[in-house]
Amino acid sequence: DAKTTQPPSMDCAEGRAANLPCNHSTISGNEYVYWYRQIHSQGPQYIIHGLKNNETNEMASLIITEDRKSSTLILPHATLRDTAVYYCIAGFQGAQKLVFGQGTRLTINP
Amino acid sequence: NAGVMQNPRHLVRRRGQEARLRCSPMKGHSHVYWYRQLPEEGLKFMVYLQKENIIDESGMPKERFSAEFPKEGPSILRIQQVVRGDSAAYFCASSPLPAASSYNSPLHFGNGTRLTVT
Repeated sequence: DAKTTQPPSMDCAEGRAANLPCNHSTISGNEYVYWYRQIHSQGPQYIIHGLKNNETNEMASLIITEDRKSSTLILPHATLRDTAVYYCIAGFQGAQKLVFGQGTRLTINP
Repeated sequence: NAGVMQNPRHLVRRRGQEARLRCSPMKGHSHVYWYRQLPEEGLKFMVYLQKENIIDESGMPKERFSAEFPKEGPSILRIQQVVRGDSAAYFCASSPLPAASSYNSPLHFGNGTRLTVT
């Protein structure tokens, strides 16, 4: 699986958009980009995934650059409950052996 | 629809004892995955099971660890003769279809069992 690089921590004001970057410069053509988050003391929660095209669901949007070397997860209107560690993972379709890195610790401030 | 259920939430064992962690997948899910999260680290894949079969155990330590997913009942992760280094959060995840076959089948995780070895 391709290695991903994320900033260790970020802050965002409540109500603003949170933009979490991820670099995956060695991603292969058939590897997807997955995003999960882990709220303190809970299990990881799936957010979104995509291959080439931008994706949007009820939780977030995923923007993947044309060369697929990086992506951005966007939480459009962050709330305090979005405070969590966010993991960007590159892996094959339906990968069960997800390789979790250190993630980005996102703190939403009131 | 209940999510992935893990029990116990917290488990304390003395060195040398056995730990048994249980995982009931979401209804309709027949594929189970176990991950381990050491303190201040990311999650590491351990094993992938279907009903009565171990599909991939490449992340399991070679000794003392075993996993099963019987035809009836929950999946069990068993750690024999626990040591302090086994202290971690153990997460179970499930999916309805073989992971490699379904685009729209992300993993659903439980809230984990936190094992403390004293």
